Amino acid sequence: TAGITQAPTSQILAAGRSMTLRCTQDMRHNAMYWYRQDLGLGLRLIHYSNTAGTTGKGEVPDGYSVSRANTDDFPLTLASAVPSQTSVYFCASSVTANTEAFFGQGTRLTVV
Amino acid sequence: GQNIDQPTEMTATEGAIVQINCTYQTSGFNGLFWYQQHAGEAPTFLSYNVLDGLEEKGRFSSFLSRSKGYSYLLLKELQMKDSASYLCAVTDSNYQLIWGAGTKLIIKP
Repeated sequence: TAGITQAPTSQILAAGRSMTLRCTQDMRHNAMYWYRQDLGLGLRLIHYSNTAGTTGKGEVPDGYSVSRANTDDFPLTLASAVPSQTSVYFCASSVTANTEAFFGQGTRLTVV
Repeated sequence: GQNIDQPTEMTATEGAIVQINCTYQTSGFNGLFWYQQHAGEAPTFLSYNVLDGLEEKGRFSSFLSRSKGYSYLLLKELQMKDSASYLCAVTDSNYQLIWGAGTKLIIKP
């Protein structure tokens, strides 16, 4: 069972370029999330989706966009990357918003 | 504002018991989670508390007091593999997860 998969695992990106981080789950979970994790800080929610076709803004949404065209996929796009977006990005999913979340392996992004 | 407080780092000895505390101030409460995160890896679920009291799961137990805005994770019979960060997270009234910064637990032989 794949669970939840992120791609790429790591990436170095030039400032000003755009990039899409991919996230796919095969557990038929309704809710999906994108977090960033920076040293010394907790996981911070970027965007979320409670069900296919809907999305919402989290704590730190600026500079990021998401879409949820179907249940399985929840891509995160950086339209014009900046160095402050250097972070480890985790995608997660859960059956509902108040149940155990399953995390992807993370994407380590460096913006230079 | 919403806030979750945990100690930054703790050290314990293999075979011993350690208690990791978490205090929270959130707009509403719909449950508290504990996750384990090994260095360079994704968080994995440990426990969930929504009612006051102790939940036991093998070597790990989690306690909740909603009136005090307080939880702890108790790890018994510590093993070297328990060296990890432990993340406390609370679901608020909007069912959004608020995360603490995590407690790095170092286990010494």
